[in-house]
Amino acid sequence: DVKVTQSSRYLVKRTGEKVFLECVQDMDHENMFWYRQDPGLGLRLIYFSYDVKMKEKGDIPEGYSVSREKKERFSLILESASTNQTSMYLCASLSGANVLTFGAGSRLTVL
Amino acid sequence: AQSVTQLGSHVSVSEGALVLLRCNYSSSVPPYLFWYVQYPNQGLQLLLKYTSAATLVKGINGFEAEFKKSETSFHLTKPSAHMSDAAEYFCAVRALNQAGTALIFGKGTTLSVSS
Repeated sequence: DVKVTQSSRYLVKRTGEKVFLECVQDMDHENMFWYRQDPGLGLRLIYFSYDVKMKEKGDIPEGYSVSREKKERFSLILESASTNQTSMYLCASLSGANVLTFGAGSRLTVL
Repeated sequence: AQSVTQLGSHVSVSEGALVLLRCNYSSSVPPYLFWYVQYPNQGLQLLLKYTSAATLVKGINGFEAEFKKSETSFHLTKPSAHMSDAAEYFCAVRALNQAGTALIFGKGTTLSVSS
């Protein structure tokens, strides 16, 4: 089974801090994704990457950046965290059969 | 462009009753459709998917969904609800663009099951 691991389950940061959310998958998938999940809004796509060093903006990229230096690792970066970025962040990896496998999520609180 | 609409943010059923969660999609290409489930404090896991083969798709835990092109629907059903089915359910459609493939999700439906 594909495993997608998000290194931090819970984070508490202060406004203005730089935040790194790390995600690693173990199945050599080319496509990886970062979603944000908020109550009543479902999952919204922030960024995705279809290859090393390649990235595409999703629906809500403002305030975020990403890094894909190695195929297995896809990082989400909040350059200057704000309170409206308090949310659950979900990383996912896409198989050739178009199935997304999700990590357990990283719940970020920005004070 | 592709999009998904889930009708009803909350659905409540009694244990043993029929579960029906509604999903309508919009897609400019033949759609690939998915249902995912999220249990409390966990990530999402795939329940089932439709990829242009049989229109009635069976998934895990007794769930199934029927693709109806004429109605642009992909509703999720289960004949008899269990307490363990209480979770949030998301419908998704594959979106294709020049860069690649992504999944677009609906806003989710929370299923409550009472004894």
